[in-house]
This record gives sequence, structure tokens and C-alpha cells, in this order.
Amino acid sequence: KAGVTQTPRYLIKTRGQQVTLSCSPISGHRSVSWYQQTPGQGLQFLFEYFSETQRNKGNFPGRFSGRQFSNSRSEMNVSTLELGDSALYLCASSLDGQGYGEAFFGQGTRLTVV
Amino acid sequence: QQPVQSPQAVILREGEDAVINCSSSKALYSVHWYRQKHGEAPVFLMILLKGGEQKGHEKISASFNEKKQQSSLYLTASQLSYSGTYFCGTLSSGNTPLVFGKGTRLSVIA
Repeated sequence: KAGVTQTPRYLIKTRGQQVTLSCSPISGHRSVSWYQQTPGQGLQFLFEYFSETQRNKGNFPGRFSGRQFSNSRSEMNVSTLELGDSALYLCASSLDGQGYGEAFFGQGTRLTVV
Repeated sequence: QQPVQSPQAVILREGEDAVINCSSSKALYSVHWYRQKHGEAPVFLMILLKGGEQKGHEKISASFNEKKQQSSLYLTASQLSYSGTYFCGTLSSGNTPLVFGKGTRLSVIA
């Protein structure tokens, strides 16, 4: 079956702009989680969506937001980009949500803010 | 709160063993282990649940000490393919997010 698809794979944006990243989970999976990965910081949790509802949110400023659609596809948005937002953004899909089973990660979107 | 992993990095020769530790200051419901190879997505290794249940694919063993909120991943007779960064994720309850540690970079050399 098809894996988790994230688009775009690479992005270069300017400070102050906004960006939208997309994640298509594995068919049948209802949970999508987003993580920010930077060198030395590991995987920082952003948010989790389950059946279109935000179930958990990490400790990130309000510039980071997300949503999930009825087909389980998810988007995250970052407004007013800062240099420190440069990172690899990973999404993970799972059948019943974080912690209940295996999560499948996408290849990520590498965002560079200049 | 982010779990603490140790060591931060380790270099092994093929055939050697390694232990990666993960500890949390919170009572844990489950511990999850993932491996990420350079330039690739993290891949699931194992879940250890409170009460002793384990779920995993690979021939990797791990332990979960519920009283100490600690987990250890045991890599025996290491192979070159074991190289990568290992992350532990911890869940405090069913309604809290899965929080990952900063990772342990494992390098296996010939």
C-alpha cells in the first residue's frame, strides 16, 4: 500500500512569509501527527489530529497551526516565518492515534527560511 | 517533557553489542522506539506497554522498567545496517502526545 506522502519535499521561503505543508496519510489511518526536526533537538511534537479534531498540541507559538480534512489529509501552516523555523517537518500517520500502535512517517518537507 | 536518552552517540564494530537508554521524569504508559537512517524517515522498531506487552517487528530486544520510568534498547551482534539515529518516544497517558528524545546516533563500522 502507498506510504505517507508529504508535499512539497523542499521549500525555500523568505522571513515574514507564510507556508503550507501537506501530508497524505496511509489509507484508513485516522491520526496524523506533525513533528519538527532540527539537528540536536530530535523530534519536537507540533500537533496531532484525529478524525478532523486536534487532539494534542505541542509547545509551539500560535504561528504554527494545522488542520485535518474529512479524508484524513492534513495541512500545517506557519505564518510570519522566522529563520529559526528552518527544519525538516515530518508527519506520521497511524490507525488509531499516537501511542496505540506503529506510526508511519513521511519523508518530510525540508523548509529553509532565508 | 522530553525523555532523556543516553548515550548521545556510540561507535561500534560489527558484532559488538550496545545498549541505548531512555528515561523520563513522568510516569509512563508506553515507550516507543524508532530508528532513522541518514536522509530517511524514522521507522518503527518497538512499543513497550505498561504491564509488559511488547509489539515490534525486528529482532531487537528492549526492556521497560515502569517503576523507574526507564527503557533500554539492546542491540546485539551489531551489523552495519544498524547504523542510524535511535529515538525513544514516551507516552504518559492515552491523552498525551508522544514525545521523543533527542536521539542516540549509532555508527557501526567494519
